[in-house]
This record gives sequence, C-alpha cells and structure tokens, in this order.
Amino acid sequence: EIVLTQSPGTLSLSPGERATLSCRASQSVSSSYLAWYQQKPGQAPRLLIYGASSRATGIPDRFSGSGSGTDFTLTISRLEPEDFAVYYCQQYGSSPTFGQGTKVEIK
Amino acid sequence: QVQLVQSGAEVKKPGASVKVSCKASGYTFTSYGISWVRQAPGQGLEWMGWISAYNGNTNYAQKLQGRVTMTTDTSTSTAYMELRSLRSDDTAVYYCARDRGLVVPAVVDYWGQGTLVTVSS
Repeated sequence: EIVLTQSPGTLSLSPGERATLSCRASQSVSSSYLAWYQQKPGQAPRLLIYGASSRATGIPDRFSGSGSGTDFTLTISRLEPEDFAVYYCQQYGSSPTFGQGTKVEIK
Repeated sequence: QVQLVQSGAEVKKPGASVKVSCKASGYTFTSYGISWVRQAPGQGLEWMGWISAYNGNTNYAQKLQGRVTMTTDTSTSTAYMELRSLRSDDTAVYYCARDRGLVVPAVVDYWGQGTLVTVSS
C-alpha cells in the first residue's frame, strides 16, 4: 500500500496569501495518478486536481497542482475566504489511498 | 447534472450488517465505476473499494476484505455497499462517488451526500 504523507498538518494564512501544500508518497505514484480534494465542514469532498496537474471542471485557476514520482504540491495562488478548508491528496495508480489532510485556516 | 443520492442514516448494533444505497442520475451509469469512501468522526478519508458499473468487477481495500460487498443494479442505476460484522470503529460517514475508472479504480469526480452509520450497543 502506498502511504501518502501531507505537510504541514495545519497552515495558518490570511486571505490574499499564497498557500503551498505538500504530499509525499512512500513509493512512486504511477503515471502521476494523483488527485487533490477540498472538504469543508459537513460537506462531501470536491475534486480540485487530477493527474497531478489538471484542474477539474469549474475549478478556479488560482488552484494548481504539480509534481511527479513521490513529491506533489497543491498551490493556491491567492487565498479567497471560501478556500479555508481541509485538503486531501489521493493516489489512484495502485489500490487508492488518501493522505491524512492539511487544514488551511484563517490566521 | 450528475447526482448521487444516498440512503438515510443508520444505527446498528455491533455484529450486525448495514447496506447503504447510492442512486445515480444525470449520466450513463454503466460508463463509470463507483467508489466508496468513509470518514470516521473528526478523521480523514478512507478508501473502501470500487466497483465497475459496466461489468461488476470489484477491488476492495485489503483491511475490509471479507467484510464488505459492493454491488450495482444497472436497471435502477443504483450502487450498494454492504458491511458485515460491524464494530464500533466502523462508525463513520459513508460516501459513494462516481469513479472515472471502468476497468480499475481511478479518480472520483462527483460525490454523494454521505450516510452516517453509527455502531453502538
């Protein structure tokens, strides 16, 4: 099983700032089968990024994904008030697994 | 528009079974898979398994093998997840999600609203 480790656990930032979230895999993720999801309290997750860098339908271009192999990054270029949430990475190249999540909170 | 509507909350005793349904609409059901993901209170997401709505092939998380069964009814575009021998640590919100993978699990792009399953004596 591929273990995904996300860092930091919590990111405290102000609206307008840049957020950089990391996801590291215990072994290489094949064909960059890496996705990012956003989850707000009481809601189902929402797909943001798939294939490591492709934005899902309707996702603003302030969200971008990068990386390959074992190291992946989600960047939010300028935080909007609605972006404060928990973010999960997921690999789906092997038996899918999720990271433990990064909470982006208002500073 | 794509919608996945799940059955309502359940309360079960330890050792019992639960079966959660997920009715899909707004797309061709047999052109996608369905994945199931659960989330214990205050915890992260856990992938449980996947079923191809095309041919019924399944792929289950190793830790749930033998306790979980996923099925589909293509006549009603409904997916089901049954979990047996329930324990207190199975208490969670259970989500179904449309999976782009038809042959193997892939990325999930639409989610149901979640079903809370509480296991308590």
